[in-house]
Amino acid sequence: AQTVTQSQPEMSVQEAETVTLSCTYDTSESDYYLFWYKQPPSRQMILVIRQEAYKQQNATENRFSVNFQKAAKSFSLKISDSQLGDAAMYFCAYSRNSNYQLIWGAGTKLIIKP
Amino acid sequence: GAGVSQSPSNKVTEKGKDVELRCDPISGHTALYWYRQSLGQGLEFLIYFQGNSAPDKSGLPSDRFSAERTGGSVSTLTIQRTQQEDSAVYLCASSLNRGSQETQYFGPGTRLLVL
Repeated sequence: AQTVTQSQPEMSVQEAETVTLSCTYDTSESDYYLFWYKQPPSRQMILVIRQEAYKQQNATENRFSVNFQKAAKSFSLKISDSQLGDAAMYFCAYSRNSNYQLIWGAGTKLIIKP
Repeated sequence: GAGVSQSPSNKVTEKGKDVELRCDPISGHTALYWYRQSLGQGLEFLIYFQGNSAPDKSGLPSDRFSAERTGGSVSTLTIQRTQQEDSAVYLCASSLNRGSQETQYFGPGTRLLVL
């Protein structure tokens, strides 16, 4: 069975600095999708970034980028120039294809210090 | 256009009562998912609807949980004889399901509290 592990229950970073959130996963599939979602206090899950496993190039979205290490089954999220609005729970998720159930990590609470 | 909407936003009920939670997906989205998020934890898959196909119910935790999707649009998640351990946020998501680039878009969830 596939599993997703986020080993950092909470992280804090100074505003404008860079922070990296860790995620590891376990799967026997060779093709799959990985996601980072953000959940602010409003509860609404917002997609931050996604990565297709067959793509070697790391995905980037503005200040957000990932370090995808397929052999190590690692998928970390780097947030550059942290902003107060980045404060939220961040969840790493896995799907064996893009239209199937997501399997989630337990989340990392990100605190931004002004 | 409008995003995924869910109602009610919050629901408080007594143990043993039945509850219905509603999800309105984004118009045109053929795939619909229900997840449960318990306090301080990640999301747990419950059920998945895809068009007119039989739903994937593999995540439903017990036979007290059921869901239906009428006309390929609105979905209702029903919990019968609620228990305190059912207290959680129930999230609904939808996606287009027309290719490999689809993203699941989430609603704001229904927070259920069983007393």
